[in-house]
Amino acid sequence: EVQLVESGGGLVHPGRSLRLSCAASGFSFEEYAMHWVRQAPGKGLEWVAGISWDSDSIVYADSVKGRFTISRDNAKKSLYLQINSLRTEDTALYYCAKADGTLVKYYFYGFDVWGQGTTVTVSS
Amino acid sequence: DIQMTQSPSSLSASVGDRVTITCRASQTIATYLNWYQQKPGKAPKLLIYAASNLQSGVPSRFSGSGSGTDFTLTISSLQPEDFATYFCQQTFSTSFGGGTKVEIK
Repeated sequence: EVQLVESGGGLVHPGRSLRLSCAASGFSFEEYAMHWVRQAPGKGLEWVAGISWDSDSIVYADSVKGRFTISRDNAKKSLYLQINSLRTEDTALYYCAKADGTLVKYYFYGFDVWGQGTTVTVSS
Repeated sequence: DIQMTQSPSSLSASVGDRVTITCRASQTIATYLNWYQQKPGKAPKLLIYAASNLQSGVPSRFSGSGSGTDFTLTISSLQPEDFATYFCQQTFSTSFGGGTKVEIK
């Protein structure tokens, strides 16, 4: 079964850091680009970051550039998101998503597999 | 950044209705456009990729069209399971539209 399972969310104070993980199974993880997408409570989807199959191309939303770092370990079939200097506006459900191809810019395919999400709550 | 504007933000419709949702990009994006469906408490589901291509397993009552800056998602005959929120996504860079909630009339 093709599956993505996120972990690492929780309640954190503003200014602290958090590392989210996403474990993949059921497909050749090393062949696909991967992304993080978040959704604040009651709001729409916000793309956060993407990484190509070989980690050679990494892109971020302007809203998180400089604070978030996406990475992957193909041997462990895992995707990561390091979040530093957390802000209250980072409170959201964070989804890991598989792209149906290798690229993170100018691509003619969508995110065909999603995890169930991990919740990050930033509050003092 | 490319901004994606969906309209309407919500609509009410009945089972059997034809429903059309539009998405406009702030600059031309060719056909780098996908559509997703999201139900409450669930992850999004890919419906249409590259503006008009039906994702495997998605019912044929869903269709997409458009290129450049203006795109449309059409549900030809709304079914009870189609009441959900729909998002467009541009993949020229990557960003999502604000969503359209389809509710029961």
